[in-house]
Amino acid sequence: DTAVSQTPKYLVTQMGNDKSIKCEQNLGHDTMYWYKQDSKKFLKIMFSYNNKELIINETVPNRFSPKSPDKAHLNLHINSLELGDSAVYFCASSQRDSWNGGEQFFGPGTRLTVL
Amino acid sequence: DAKTTQPTSMDCAEGRAANLPCNHSTISGNEYVYWYRQIHSQGPQYIIHGLKNNETNEMASLIITEDRKSSTLILPHATLRDTAVYYCIVRVAWSNYQLIWGAGTKLIIKP
Repeated sequence: DTAVSQTPKYLVTQMGNDKSIKCEQNLGHDTMYWYKQDSKKFLKIMFSYNNKELIINETVPNRFSPKSPDKAHLNLHINSLELGDSAVYFCASSQRDSWNGGEQFFGPGTRLTVL
Repeated sequence: DAKTTQPTSMDCAEGRAANLPCNHSTISGNEYVYWYRQIHSQGPQYIIHGLKNNETNEMASLIITEDRKSSTLILPHATLRDTAVYYCIVRVAWSNYQLIWGAGTKLIIKP
């Protein structure tokens, strides 16, 4: 069974559109994350979220918003897409209080291309 | 989080031990050293982490110097499938502080 899954794997869209990327984890973890990996391959945290708090990287535009319908899901909504949003987006999860210090499990990524 | 510095790239022969260094000279006493890797086009994968003692698991060994200012990740018998970018990260465990990723080391395993 896939631990962290994302859909879609590829997303091609026009500038100005609104899109969502879905993420689900079946590990029973209490914290989920969204990362952006740009063309230079740097991974940057966008959000971390558990049922108690949402932490937002202050550099993330407010066009990006996480939505968590339940503990196993953290979706990423993007409004008014821009060319610079093209990147690979990774979802991850961890168990904050786990004995191993909260190792993060990553999904396979969603490659977003904005035309 | 403390910053880390790693070589940009390294080569290793298949079947040999791959030793990946990482400098973290400003590490704090409560910060752990984590290693992740990212195989091409896949999500990052956790490898190992440690505080001050050396650690070993089924994937690798982590050697941390006594002053904790540097560490080495050892893949004991590298295979072609170990070709990936390896990231060394320091952070406080059990905190909500996010991982801050550097550029990592591109490890190429050669037949």
